[in-house]
Amino acid sequence: DTGVSQNPRHKITKRGQNVTFRCDPISEHNRLYWYRQTLGQGPEFLTYFQNEAQLEKSRLLSDRFSAERPKGSFSTLEIQRTEQGDSAMYLCASSPTQGVGGYTFGSGTRLTVV
Amino acid sequence: QQQVKQSPQSLIVQKGGISIINCAYENTAFDYFPWYQQFPGKGPALLIAIRPDVSEKKEGRFTISFNKSAKQFSLHIMDSQPGDSATYFCAAGHTGGFKTIFGAGTRLFVKA
Repeated sequence: DTGVSQNPRHKITKRGQNVTFRCDPISEHNRLYWYRQTLGQGPEFLTYFQNEAQLEKSRLLSDRFSAERPKGSFSTLEIQRTEQGDSAMYLCASSPTQGVGGYTFGSGTRLTVV
Repeated sequence: QQQVKQSPQSLIVQKGGISIINCAYENTAFDYFPWYQQFPGKGPALLIAIRPDVSEKKEGRFTISFNKSAKQFSLHIMDSQPGDSATYFCAAGHTGGFKTIFGAGTRLFVKA
């Protein structure tokens, strides 16, 4: 399977705990994006990497959120001190640097904070 | 200026009918307008996309109509099938692929 892979698919955590999600993009894609999707809404931009460089972060990404993409390959998104409002689907997408601009999304990680 | 407004929120269409979903954007700097299809439990999948230098693009049963002066674009699904039942998102971004802004989505149900 050469698509975008996200792990875990589901995560249930208690409020206040830290969680980390992983994304493996399509290997030829230089760009990697994290989006958050809540029920009944469209994906909201969180952050974007070109290779290992994090080039933009949304205001939605509070200081409890951190994302990394070491060596420009896989990426991790960590949420510290989770809150109930963090419950959402976290989507990762990748795209080539050149091209038509469309994303390939993974199936997401659904986070439930109890 | 970053918003993309999508309507309707939900749509029920008979099998074989035409499904029409509309979107409007504000930022004239956008130059790439994709539509994504999402099934439950899956991430959105790119369906079709258009750039503002053309007014219409057709791929199979799916057509995008684009009105640059009105800053509006729409998705038409011809001969709608039950398998088309999904949530559809319009979006606006840049051909470089950076920071696409999504609409709130339209839940389409095609009755058999």
